[in-house]
Amino acid sequence: LAKTTQPISMDSYEGQEVNITCSHNNIATNDYITWYQQFPSQGPRFIIQGYKTKVTNEVASLFIPADRKSSTLSLPRVSLSDTAVYYCLVGDTGNAGNMLTFGGGTRLMVKP
Amino acid sequence: GAVVSQHPSRVICKSGTSVKIECRSLDFQATTMFWYRQFPKQSLMLMATSNEGSKATYEQGVEKDKFLINHASLTLSTLTVTSAHPEDSSFYICSARDWGKGAEAFFGQGTRLTVV
Repeated sequence: LAKTTQPISMDSYEGQEVNITCSHNNIATNDYITWYQQFPSQGPRFIIQGYKTKVTNEVASLFIPADRKSSTLSLPRVSLSDTAVYYCLVGDTGNAGNMLTFGGGTRLMVKP
Repeated sequence: GAVVSQHPSRVICKSGTSVKIECRSLDFQATTMFWYRQFPKQSLMLMATSNEGSKATYEQGVEKDKFLINHASLTLSTLTVTSAHPEDSSFYICSARDWGKGAEAFFGQGTRLTVV
């Protein structure tokens, strides 16, 4: 399983764009990159997943360079409610039996 | 989207007693479910993989006799913390993936266990 490295914490202000980068130097060919969000005392919630280049959905964008050794989660115009821990996971999601291994995550604090 | 439900959301028990936590996939069948434990300000740690109709696979360092896992049906897995001690107090979270949507893992809302 590819190990991931993220900043421990980040601060931002309401209305700003936040970019959280994750390093995964040992990513394998079959691995996808998935980001989850977790609020205190709740289970993680899926945000976005990608394999290469750029993926965008209604809440975030995910940028993955050609070598796939890193990825960047972009949250446009954050609000106070985006204060949470964000986890970057790398793994082969083609098999529903494959476990998900969580790294340390990034604690995002959005200030007014 | 798919829903995974955990029960109870909070439980307080006395030392030495056992506590059962249920994890249900409400609108899909899950042949595999995962149990995590999370201590304050820390990440999720995988405890075990629960396989329907067979024995669970435990991660290194997790006592299988203390954390009993039963996955009797395609929609239900249970985690029983036996002879609980205060150090077992933690946030327990289950997860499952829908075979039809292999990419996304769905997590329960978690169970806060406090052993007094």
